[in-house]
Amino acid sequence: QLQLQESGSGLVKPSQTLSLTCTVSGGSIRSRGYSWSWIRQPPGKGLEWIGYIYYSGNTYYTPSLKSRVTISVDKSNNHFALKLGSVTAADTAVYYCAAKGPSSALNFWGLGTLVTVSS
Amino acid sequence: DIEMTQSPSTLSASVGDTVTITCRASQSIIPWLAWYQQKPGKAPKLLIYRTSNLESGVPSRFSGSGSETEFTLTISSLQPDDFASYYCQQYNTYPNTFGQGTKLEIK
Repeated sequence: QLQLQESGSGLVKPSQTLSLTCTVSGGSIRSRGYSWSWIRQPPGKGLEWIGYIYYSGNTYYTPSLKSRVTISVDKSNNHFALKLGSVTAADTAVYYCAAKGPSSALNFWGLGTLVTVSS
Repeated sequence: DIEMTQSPSTLSASVGDTVTITCRASQSIIPWLAWYQQKPGKAPKLLIYRTSNLESGVPSRFSGSGSETEFTLTISSLQPDDFASYYCQQYNTYPNTFGQGTKLEIK
């Protein structure tokens, strides 16, 4: 059973870069057929899918964030990461990492971490 | 992007009721539609994937169905634990968009 855990800075200043890591346990991030996603949820609002990285290293980002976002994988440490640059208050949200298994949807989620953008 | 429109936004029901939540896609996504349940302060939990497949461990009172662009989540015999928010998500095309959510409240 996969377990995911987000970590990183909970407070980021405007115009700086938000950096989060998702540590995967109970399985390998190299597992074939898995993709590793980031999703966010502004306070009191719905879910927004940010992007994903496939086990092969291929990535896809939602167009509205594409110019500011990078998702990467650290296979040796079994984690994947999110960087979001030039943040504003609109990027304040709970950020979740999640895994999509073969023939499934997002079936494993981290607990989520609140990131606040404020000076 | 594929737009996902969920209805209703809020639904009031009682324990024992059967309720249906609808999700409409702006283009065909069949069968790549999932449903999630989210409780306050918690991460979403996968209920249904590929339109009608029940995730392991999810009670059988949850069921999903759908056609090309219209999908439904049905919860039969509502239990107290079912009062939560529900989201649909299409994963046919990137970006994998979510519906805006339905809050299921106790009447």
